[in-house]
Amino acid sequence: KAGVTQTPRYLIKTRGQQVTLSCSPISGHRSVSWYQQTPGQGLQFLFEYFSETQRNKGNFPGRFSGRQFSNSRSEMNVSTLELGDSALYLCASTMGSEDTQYFGPGTRLTVL
Amino acid sequence: SQQGEEDPQALSIQEGENATMNCSYKTSINNLQWYRQNSGRGLVHLILIRSNEREKHSGRLRVTLDTSKKSSSLLITASRAADTASYFCATKAAGNKLTFGGGTRVLVKP
Repeated sequence: KAGVTQTPRYLIKTRGQQVTLSCSPISGHRSVSWYQQTPGQGLQFLFEYFSETQRNKGNFPGRFSGRQFSNSRSEMNVSTLELGDSALYLCASTMGSEDTQYFGPGTRLTVL
Repeated sequence: SQQGEEDPQALSIQEGENATMNCSYKTSINNLQWYRQNSGRGLVHLILIRSNEREKHSGRLRVTLDTSKKSSSLLITASRAADTASYFCATKAAGNKLTFGGGTRVLVKP
């Protein structure tokens, strides 16, 4: 099976812009989670989607949003980008209630 | 805030030696997982241990879990240069998200 894919792999934006990141889970996986990783804060949970519904949400401002489509693909959007949003954004998929998460390679976002 | 905290933050060993890292957490969990990350890439799942298990093995990996002390350890035996990576513990409580610790950076010198 193909692994989790994320696009784009690298992105450079300027402050105030918005960005959309995409994640395609492993075939058959219905749950997608998003994480932000920075040197200062480490790995922080953003949100989890299951069958197109947000199941859990982390402590991030409303500028961070996401959605999941009927084919389980997920997107996350960050509006009004700030310098501190520069990070590696990771998505992971699981099959329903299975606890092992399979991670994609990440999208490296740089905000200038 | 992070649920799990790894110790040490960094570890440097010679190839062939064993590497041990510890993880402490704060609240009750359903399971604890260990992941490896190479150089800013995605995480790779290594092993999952459930709250009713005390020890688990996978190849050169040995994980222990002490729920009374709210701690876990990961042992990598006979380390190789390819084991150089950051290792993260992650805890899962019922119905909750997976929460990661700060990680241990391991350097295996040839």
